[in-house]
Amino acid sequence: QSALTQPPSASGSPGQSVTISCTGSSSDVGTYNYVSWYQHRPGKAPKLMIYEVNKRPSGVPDRFSGSKSGNTASLTVSGLQAEDEADYYCISYRGSSLYVFGTGTKVTVL
Amino acid sequence: QVQLVQSGAEVKKPGASVKVSCKTSGYTFTDLYVHWVRQAPGQGLEWMGEINPNTGGTSYPQKFQGRVTMTGDTSISTVYMEMSSLRPDDTAVYYCARDGWGGGSDFDYWGQGTLVTVSS
Repeated sequence: QSALTQPPSASGSPGQSVTISCTGSSSDVGTYNYVSWYQHRPGKAPKLMIYEVNKRPSGVPDRFSGSKSGNTASLTVSGLQAEDEADYYCISYRGSSLYVFGTGTKVTVL
Repeated sequence: QVQLVQSGAEVKKPGASVKVSCKTSGYTFTDLYVHWVRQAPGQGLEWMGEINPNTGGTSYPQKFQGRVTMTGDTSISTVYMEMSSLRPDDTAVYYCARDGWGGGSDFDYWGQGTLVTVSS
């Protein structure tokens, strides 16, 4: 059960946009619309940013958006801010009550 | 308000077992699944499994089957994660997380994390 594939790093200047990909397979991302994204800062618990591919929990800025095409899901952060610097992880349902995280992407605000 | 409060840090020797607790409050315990996630030093997040507090039903990825047991106590709204045959590479921060009202993997509230150190 290998992890979903994410780029190790992504970066952008304040105000720019950054998009992070999350590539799985037809067994997980490609079949189920149960892809979520988490922001994780050192020493803190992960924070839910997007669920069910493109839904935002209350309190999450609309600068964060999610999408999916085929076996790849994406998280876009628009209008990048210094506070967005963190690690981001995707997770997908893969059937039979099983889930798998992505490898994680470190976002740096230049 | 919803809270998940985990037990404190543990230091264990290789081969030993550890049991981490996660006390929930602020919602009906039996309504929502609880998941466990860990992060080893310098590594990413890893999903360890889930428990249905209403039925006690569990699901684990193959990697943890036979070594991890998740249980719940409805009388005190607490779930437990027990791992046996600990190895040094089990050193990690372990988190419990509530599965929200969405369709799946929307872990909307998390515990503060419990550091488990495995060392001889």
